[in-house]
Amino acid sequence: EAQVTQNPRYLITVTGKKLTVTCSQNMNHEYMSWYRQDPGLGLRQIYYSMNVEVTDKGDVPEGYKVSRKEKRNFPLILESPSPNQTSLYFCASSPRTVGYEQYFGPGTRLTVT
Amino acid sequence: QKEVEQNSGPLSVPEGAIASLNCTYSDRGSQSFFWYRQYSGKSPELIMSIYSNGDKEDGRFTAQLNKASQYVSLLIRDSQPSDSATYLCAVGGGGADGLTFGKGTHLIIQP
Repeated sequence: EAQVTQNPRYLITVTGKKLTVTCSQNMNHEYMSWYRQDPGLGLRQIYYSMNVEVTDKGDVPEGYKVSRKEKRNFPLILESPSPNQTSLYFCASSPRTVGYEQYFGPGTRLTVT
Repeated sequence: QKEVEQNSGPLSVPEGAIASLNCTYSDRGSQSFFWYRQYSGKSPELIMSIYSNGDKEDGRFTAQLNKASQYVSLLIRDSQPSDSATYLCAVGGGGADGLTFGKGTHLIIQP
């Protein structure tokens, strides 16, 4: 089944404890992206990747890191999480590099206390 | 800054009626337009895409695009309670930064 997977789906952590949210797609898509979704603010892009070893900042990159060592994987790293990073996070992938449809993973609900 | 505007709602529609959802966008260079449906706590699901002016129909859904007016709409015919969700308009093209999403319209179909 063609899909985007994320792990973990739910995570409660404490301020400053480094964490990684994994994202993997089995559709051979070149483009991958991370979003956060907050009430009243909608979906905001954190980082995106056009291809392996090519990443760039989205609208809200502060406090996050990403890497793209393999085409299928695009992990999101929070090196020192803070409470304002409590949010619902989505990974997405697209078969094209610019302006084409994106397919979303199931989401990761992160709480930072 | 690219912007995509939607009425947040809620938009309440009787079961069996036509639901009409609207979206405007700021970037005249936009080339691709999408509608996503999102149930509470779930991920956005792509339901319609449109790339050229006019109408595109898929089952009970019709997407309409007017690039001159920078306006996109989604019509849902014979609305069902299962259509109750938040509908996100997304616009892309022209740049390497993917899609810009509106904040969504909350649709309620009343049985």
